[in-house]
Amino acid sequence: EAEVAQSPRYKITEKSQAVAFWCDPISGHATLYWYRQILGQGPELLVQFQDESVVDDSQLPKDRFSAERLKGVDSTLKIQPAELGDSAMYLCASSPGTGYSGANVLTFGAGSRLTVL
Amino acid sequence: AQSVTQPDIHITVSEGASLELRCNYSYGATPYLFWYVQSPGQGLQLLLKYFSGDTLVQGIKGFEAEFKRSQSSFNLRKPSVHWSDAAEYFCAVGAKGYSTLTFGKGTMLLVSP
Repeated sequence: EAEVAQSPRYKITEKSQAVAFWCDPISGHATLYWYRQILGQGPELLVQFQDESVVDDSQLPKDRFSAERLKGVDSTLKIQPAELGDSAMYLCASSPGTGYSGANVLTFGAGSRLTVL
Repeated sequence: AQSVTQPDIHITVSEGASLELRCNYSYGATPYLFWYVQSPGQGLQLLLKYFSGDTLVQGIKGFEAEFKRSQSSFNLRKPSVHWSDAAEYFCAVGAKGYSTLTFGKGTMLLVSP
């Protein structure tokens, strides 16, 4: 079964350092999402891509977070500088894309757990 | 704006007993509804989804959910819980033509022997 790949699985960093997460969606999936899940909460959307274009980044803290999907395939989410409140699970998901069957069915990766000390 | 409420933060069920997890949504049009399950330290796995048609939908692992428009609910059920069902369960709402999902805060299911 096709999977969404994420790395690293775990990252511990100190406050003010830079951190990056990588995601490789299911092959052929046009839409890619980054969600943040704080412990004990549900996932919240940070950014959504359709191919290489940002569709929604309204909840992305743009002063410190950036995301890119340069060739419309894999994606990187960066935080610089990291703050204590950024400790969370960062989940990547993908879906076939608007207009395609199953467009609303998101497949999630295993996540990247960030701890900021 | 769409929203999801899962009223129960934790639920404890005895192994073999039936289960019902509650989900209420807020959305102006016909929603797309989902239940996902998350084991500790893992990503989310889709259990089932409702887009249209029959309001009782079947999912994986013996789960089912019923869409009730009049109550704005999409409750998850299982007739007999197994210890391996212990996990966190998330209800989510989406919309046709707009693929982003909005999630509830989750319900943690504990299974007692």
